[in-house]
Amino acid sequence: GENVEQHPSTLSVQEGDSAVIKCTYSDSASNYFPWYKQELGKGPQLIIDIRSNVGEKKDQRIAVTLNKTAKHFSLHITETQPEDSAVYFCAASNYGQNFVFGPGTRLSVLP
Amino acid sequence: GAVVSQHPSRVICKSGTSVKIECRSLDFQATTMFWYRQFPKQSLMLMATSNEGSKATYEQGVEKDKFLINHASLTLSTLTVTSAHPEDSSFYICSAQGLPRPQYFGPGTRLLVL
Repeated sequence: GENVEQHPSTLSVQEGDSAVIKCTYSDSASNYFPWYKQELGKGPQLIIDIRSNVGEKKDQRIAVTLNKTAKHFSLHITETQPEDSAVYFCAASNYGQNFVFGPGTRLSVLP
Repeated sequence: GAVVSQHPSRVICKSGTSVKIECRSLDFQATTMFWYRQFPKQSLMLMATSNEGSKATYEQGVEKDKFLINHASLTLSTLTVTSAHPEDSSFYICSAQGLPRPQYFGPGTRLLVL
């Protein structure tokens, strides 16, 4: 089955700097990769996703890149703000089914 | 994004009682709903997957007689924790999916069993 690893487990950045979180997956059949943000005491919120036919996708300050050959994808947050502090989860799935989540990255943006 | 609600947001119950948690997709039809459990500072643990009108598929190690799941309509799934014990205390999160859309999560229900 699919296995998703995520690094780093914790990340601290200064406000205004960029943050990068990387995930690797094992199943080459996976073709859909969402990223979720979870704030304390709340459910995860979908922030961006990418399908395997695309190498990069951007939405304002966040972007996701995908390297199918190496089976890894990354979340990039630029100009970080304190409200970006949260736990971020990546996931891999096959046509939107059988989601497997990474263990999460706790991001702290220091003012 | 799509809206998924959960009710109640938090519940405290006595050991031995049963608790029902509702998950609703408010603006789309969810053919599949998922139930997760999350312990503090840990990732999401999938408990079961339910498709509308059929029996839920439980993950290994999850007792189907203890965690009853009903997915009676395309917008509602319920999770009932039967004979709850303190070790069942956790954060329970549902998600809903209507392909080809991604999973959308509810806000979670915090259960505390005394």
